[in-house]
Amino acid sequence: DTAVSQTPKYLVTQMGNDKSIKCEQNLGHDTMYWYKQDSKKFLKIMFSYNNKELIINETVPNRFSPKSPDKAHLNLHINSLELGDSAVYFCASSQAGLFSGNTIYFGEGSWLTVV
Amino acid sequence: EDKVVQSPLSLVVHEGDTVTLNCSYEVTNFRSLLWYKQEKKAPTFLFMLTSSGIEKKSGRLSSILDKKELSSILNITATQTGDSAIYLCAVLTGTASKLTFGTGTRLQVTL
Repeated sequence: DTAVSQTPKYLVTQMGNDKSIKCEQNLGHDTMYWYKQDSKKFLKIMFSYNNKELIINETVPNRFSPKSPDKAHLNLHINSLELGDSAVYFCASSQAGLFSGNTIYFGEGSWLTVV
Repeated sequence: EDKVVQSPLSLVVHEGDTVTLNCSYEVTNFRSLLWYKQEKKAPTFLFMLTSSGIEKKSGRLSSILDKKELSSILNITATQTGDSAIYLCAVLTGTASKLTFGTGTRLQVTL
């Protein structure tokens, strides 16, 4: 069973379109994240939710909107896609933050290509 | 802005060699430093270091944190081709479980 699952795994779309990436975790974790990894393999946090509440919102264009319908799901919606949005988007989850030696579990990534 | 720097950016070694990967950081409200290995897909967790000077080991991999020097090293002894990957260092800061990643070190182990 996949602990953190993302869909779709691969997405090729045209500039200007709106797309969503879905994420679900079956670990019972309280905290979920979205990370973006660019072509240079630099992983950068975008958002973090704890029990459906937004707790980290980095400097991300407001075309990116996360939505957490419940604590097991954190979806990422992107409006008006641009070429620079092409990247791998990783969803992740952890239990009650990372302060007790708990680790963060990553999904397998969603490869987004904007053409 | 929190900053995590890794060196070298890439490294090619022969099987059996020992390698040392470096990570330094400049962050506010440091909590812990974590190491990850990334092959083709998601990063996988290696170590979490919170206290200075205490080495953590897992097989041929070991890591230690130096909070005075704001740095950490990851050692891999007797490298194998399966160790070829990108090794990511990340620093946990603040109260909101924010992980700031370094740029990674790409390690290639050749026969």
